Amino acid sequence: NAGVMQNPRHLVRRRGQEARLRCSPMKGHSHVYWYRQLPEEGLKFMVYLQKENIIDESGMPKERFSAEFPKEGPSILRIQQVVRGDSAAYFCASSPAGLFNEQFFGPGTRLTVL
Amino acid sequence: TQLLEQSPQFLSIQEGENLTVYCNSSSVFSSLQWYRQEPGEGPVLLVTVVTGGEVKKLKRLTFQFGDARKDSSLHITAAQPGDTGLYLCAGPDSGGYNKLIFGAGTRLAVHP
Repeated sequence: NAGVMQNPRHLVRRRGQEARLRCSPMKGHSHVYWYRQLPEEGLKFMVYLQKENIIDESGMPKERFSAEFPKEGPSILRIQQVVRGDSAAYFCASSPAGLFNEQFFGPGTRLTVL
Repeated sequence: TQLLEQSPQFLSIQEGENLTVYCNSSSVFSSLQWYRQEPGEGPVLLVTVVTGGEVKKLKRLTFQFGDARKDSSLHITAAQPGDTGLYLCAGPDSGGYNKLIFGAGTRLAVHP
């Protein structure tokens, strides 16, 4: 029973480039969440999606960041024109419908912006 | 704004010792979760506590939810090096039942 999968595990980008982070939820889970963990800080909520819908994006910066969860395929977190402050670990979590508080996390993507 | 404060921030002990870490808030939470995160990995869910006063045991780990549902504790008996990691508590944001608020964590090191 595969867990939440994220790729790539490590991503290096130069300032101004785009970063695309992918997340495949656990089988049977229809809710996807993205969190960001800055060095020496706790995890901060970014966005919550269901298939083809963004439900809550209150934690996501309004500029340069976007997320989607298409009908087919993984959820994508996209960061345009990356800056050094975007360097962080980005985690995806998934939960089954009705059990939002039992979120299972992927291994994360560590983004480094040079 | 709901906050979860964890203490201590760091804990370094010898194998075989007992320890307790705490997760406190001034706000009531409908549930609290405890996760363990190892370097370079994602958080792994250990337990969810829902009812005030609830106690759950997971082998040598004992989790307690405060009667008022504002705090929780994690007690480890006879700690082992494999218990080393970052222990995080989290709870649902009352403003939106879909996002978790995380504490900053307790970083535990158990030395052989």
